Amino acid sequence: GAVVSQHPSRVICKSGTSVKIECRSLDFQATTMFWYRQFPKQSLMLMATSNEGSKATYEQGVEKDKFLINHASLTLSTLTVTSAHPEDSSFYICSARFSSQYEQYFGPGTRLTVT
Amino acid sequence: GEDVEQSLFLSVREGDSSVINCTYTDSSSTYLYWYKQEPGAGLQLLTYIFSNMDMKQDQRLTVLLNKKDKHLSLRIADTQTGDSAIYFCAEKEGANNLFFGTGTRLTVIP
Repeated sequence: GAVVSQHPSRVICKSGTSVKIECRSLDFQATTMFWYRQFPKQSLMLMATSNEGSKATYEQGVEKDKFLINHASLTLSTLTVTSAHPEDSSFYICSARFSSQYEQYFGPGTRLTVT
Repeated sequence: GEDVEQSLFLSVREGDSSVINCTYTDSSSTYLYWYKQEPGAGLQLLTYIFSNMDMKQDQRLTVLLNKKDKHLSLRIADTQTGDSAIYFCAEKEGANNLFFGTGTRLTVIP
């Protein structure tokens, strides 16, 4: 099946710094990538949807200036958490799909801890 | 908006069958999915069912869909300790995004 990777798998950073998380589709071209956030013992919350070459669409309540998403190629999307704070600590999961007719494939997630 | 509900916890003995239930509100759903999440990991697609189907079986997994009641279930036969995980149902309408349920934590007791 299709493989989606995320890097890093775990990151600890200090409050006020920025962190970049990469999401790559390894064996297919992803026209659309999704970024989710998951709090402990909770479901996934969609943060934003990005289509290659265009600006991301953010869900209500998600600050686009804080969570910068770049989908510069058909195999790579990045999420940058700017000026991170402890409340941004969470598990971030990306997913990717070839087209709307195809399945979404999920990455293994990135655990962000802000101290 | 869409609402997808699941019971939070389920415990079964090894070798028994597990049945995880899900209810949803969006009658326009075209696909319904079951995902498995192991601790500290992403989501693994287990199976899915198209909305015009009633049942789908894939080895130990059986999905039942009652479209009238908007009820979806996942049955795992001969449950093993490796099946312990969180199981999410999700629904999608057409080209729209996935909406996830709250997740059911399955614990398999040896």
